[in-house]
Amino acid sequence: SQQGEEDPQALSIQEGENATMNCSYKTSINNLQWYRQNSGRGLVHPILIRSNEREKHSGRLRVTLDTSKKSSSLLITASRAADTASYFCATDRGGTGGFKTIFGAGTRLFVKA
Amino acid sequence: NAGVTQTPKFQVLKTGQSMTLQCAQDMNHNSMYWYRQDPGMGLRLIYYSASEGTTDKGEVPNGYNVSRLNKREFSLRLESAAPSQTSVYFCASSLLAGTMFFGSGTQLSVL
Repeated sequence: SQQGEEDPQALSIQEGENATMNCSYKTSINNLQWYRQNSGRGLVHPILIRSNEREKHSGRLRVTLDTSKKSSSLLITASRAADTASYFCATDRGGTGGFKTIFGAGTRLFVKA
Repeated sequence: NAGVTQTPKFQVLKTGQSMTLQCAQDMNHNSMYWYRQDPGMGLRLIYYSASEGTTDKGEVPNGYNVSRLNKREFSLRLESAAPSQTSVYFCASSLLAGTMFFGSGTQLSVL
């Protein structure tokens, strides 16, 4: 089963609005990453937040992590049509012989111009 | 600086045929990964290699084999392709437990 689960599965908003996506996970982690994917292409623009961090910013993006609730959120402020994409959270919890990263099913964001 | 390079970009196989997907990274990363992504779904880990000389199974390893040829290269082999393996395959690399960098994907169809 997948470690991370995003919520909502799909989100449609107007340009200029904020978009919030959530990710919940089940076991303790070393770090959590958020990625963007445009139309089935490779994942890009990663934001990594470590288990001892609570918040990370990257331009209009803000990631928060609450390890006590085993959850993370990605906030995109003042959204643009170009933000339309799928967003995935990925948790890195270690594994035999090293680290492995497990992805959730993603949130599909559609920003209407 | 090419990052992560995957070949081929597209492939069509008949059931039972074999093929190898190639992946190379030039970032001196220790860890490399193979994922598959089915339509409308997230990525599922097939195999990973934490460092040169080691490989480990992920969530969906059945029907696949991997080889970590050297630090740069990590290949994925389908010995006897099945229609259920129709998917988009992504290779990725990272510096230990760090941000992952992805290739552009291989779209595989098994008829």
